[in-house]
Amino acid sequence: EMQLVESGGGLVQPGGSLRLSCAASGFIFSNYWMSWVRQAPGKGPEWVARMKQDGSEKYYVDSVKGRFIISRDNAKNSLYLQMNSLRAEDTAVYYCARVGYGFDIWGQGTMLTVSS
Amino acid sequence: QSALTQPASVSGSPGQSIAISCTGTSSDVSGYNYVSWYQQHPGKAPKLMIYDVTRRPSGVSDRFSGSKSGNTASLTISGLQAEDEADYYCCSYTTSSTFVFGTGTKVTVL
Repeated sequence: EMQLVESGGGLVQPGGSLRLSCAASGFIFSNYWMSWVRQAPGKGPEWVARMKQDGSEKYYVDSVKGRFIISRDNAKNSLYLQMNSLRAEDTAVYYCARVGYGFDIWGQGTMLTVSS
Repeated sequence: QSALTQPASVSGSPGQSIAISCTGTSSDVSGYNYVSWYQQHPGKAPKLMIYDVTRRPSGVSDRFSGSKSGNTASLTISGLQAEDEADYYCCSYTTSSTFVFGTGTKVTVL
């Protein structure tokens, strides 16, 4: 079964940092672009970042540029999101998603709350 | 990058057909044939229903279909069923090599 499992969410103070992880299984992770998508409470999804198979290309939504870093370890079938200088508006469920034809596989999400 | 515009809500009776619009710009929807649609039930992750404007992933009912004309893409659900009640989001690739989601539409089965 193809699966993505996120971890690492929690409560962080404004200005703090956190790293999210996403473990992939059931497919050849190194063959796919991967993305992070977030969803604030009561809102629609917002695409955050994506990364090419070999890490040579990365793209971000403007609101996280310079603060978030997407990375991957193909040997560990894992995707990461390093989040720095966190703001209240970053509060959301963070999903990792496989970029196949569309975002075709999603994890269950991990919740990040930024609050003092 | 502004979110794509969707109607806040659409409703229909069982067996009817409904359509959800998704309006963007030349920088996203009309610029590429990379519009996808997602169904989301409360507390669940989004599920891919349509990709590349008109294509349906394996396992998705053929009651779901997609189309596009100019800056507006549409998702049609025919033979509406109770289980179709959910939130629906469109998504498009953009000229900035990014993606943008729609504002979302709540579908209610009367």
